[in-house]
Amino acid sequence: SAVISQKPSRDICQRGTSLTIQCQVDSQVTMMFWYRQQPGQSLTLIATANQGSEATYESGFVIDKFPISRPNLTFSTLTVSNMSPEDSSIYLCSVDGERGLQETQYFGPGTRLLVL
Amino acid sequence: QKEVEQNSGPLSVPEGAIASLNCTYSDRGSQSFFWYRQYSGKSPELIMSIYSNGDKEDGRFTAQLNKASQYVSLLIRDSQPSDSATYLCAVNAGGTSYGKLTFGQGTILTVHP
Repeated sequence: SAVISQKPSRDICQRGTSLTIQCQVDSQVTMMFWYRQQPGQSLTLIATANQGSEATYESGFVIDKFPISRPNLTFSTLTVSNMSPEDSSIYLCSVDGERGLQETQYFGPGTRLLVL
Repeated sequence: QKEVEQNSGPLSVPEGAIASLNCTYSDRGSQSFFWYRQYSGKSPELIMSIYSNGDKEDGRFTAQLNKASQYVSLLIRDSQPSDSATYLCAVNAGGTSYGKLTFGQGTILTVHP
């Protein structure tokens, strides 16, 4: 499976500020995704990061709040903009890891964000 | 709305027993099914994937899929205290939703010595 790293691993931010999270993969991957895991909750998909085009956002998530970049096949960023305490979550990137014709998905270590 | 439901926990089993985790999904067109293990403070770790009806075994883990009943389960044989974690069921609808996973709420498993 691909080795995925995220920066920062954790951060404490003030409300109204923005944080950019980086996701780096050690090999080229077709698909990269960003998920959010709120405290005590399961994972929710924020968006699919598309290389060379705008990200595809899920219902309830918008580009102005969560702008995403994907400049190449090994790197993506997620920005959490104008943060509020409700944005306190773990943010995880994931990548596809195709096994033959069947897809699977691996997660990075996550970024733990606390907004005060 | 596509939903994935897991049996409510927490689930507590003695060491050496079989732990049974269950998951149902609402989208009949779903094509890929996954079980992730998540230790506290860590990210999800893929432990099993299954794509066709029947059983799939990998060491102490067995995944079972029944598409007609929209049901997927995970059996852990000879449970160990190190298996204590939250187990997440995830489903991919495929097609235009390729790669997009919908997760259940997770089942907390505790294996006590």
